[in-house]
Amino acid sequence: ETGVTQTPRHLVMGMTNKKSLKCEQHLGHNAMYWYKQSAKKPLELMFVYNFKEQTENNSVPSRFSPECPNSSHLFLHLHTLQPEDSALYLCASSQAGLAESSYNEQFFGPGTRLTVL
Amino acid sequence: GQNIDQPTEMTATEGAIVQINCTYQTSGFNGLFWYQQHAGEAPTFLSYNVLDGLEEKGRFSSFLSRSKGYSYLLLKELQMKDSASYLCAGTDSNYQLIWGAGTKLIIKP
Repeated sequence: ETGVTQTPRHLVMGMTNKKSLKCEQHLGHNAMYWYKQSAKKPLELMFVYNFKEQTENNSVPSRFSPECPNSSHLFLHLHTLQPEDSALYLCASSQAGLAESSYNEQFFGPGTRLTVL
Repeated sequence: GQNIDQPTEMTATEGAIVQINCTYQTSGFNGLFWYQQHAGEAPTFLSYNVLDGLEEKGRFSSFLSRSKGYSYLLLKELQMKDSASYLCAGTDSNYQLIWGAGTKLIIKP
């Protein structure tokens, strides 16, 4: 049990669909993250939220739209995706946000395996 | 630029010892993490080193040399359940994690 849950675990969508990924953390953390994990590539940080405020957007295409209604929930809204967006999308949380602490252990959810047809 | 290098794949035998190396180049340095990720599961924290030296935690140990930009994860008495990917991540001057691509460790009986 990592304390971070993600739904759905698997998602297949067409390029014209709109879908959302959900992440919830039960750890009382203040920061939440979205990562993209592709085979044999490093984790790519997409977005960071600290106390519900977005603090990082690593040049992510606008077809990915994050939403953080409170410090426990994080969404990733998807629309008009491309086949190259197929990957594992991981959510993580940490007690402190970036630039606050050198010890910034991140707790990960199990991920959503996304396939874009 | 910032970069983390680690081998793509390693194979070892059950009961043996394996060392997974990681070299890093980050703008500033604020520590190095190792995570374990089983196929289809979340990465889970293994260790954090910020000072030079060896940190031992049961069958797993992690070493850091700041002057060499080098770390390794040492796994002893390997078990089949240790088959997983091992991710190395350095923390830069902004405390952002810079991730390696991971090392897939295959344990054979």
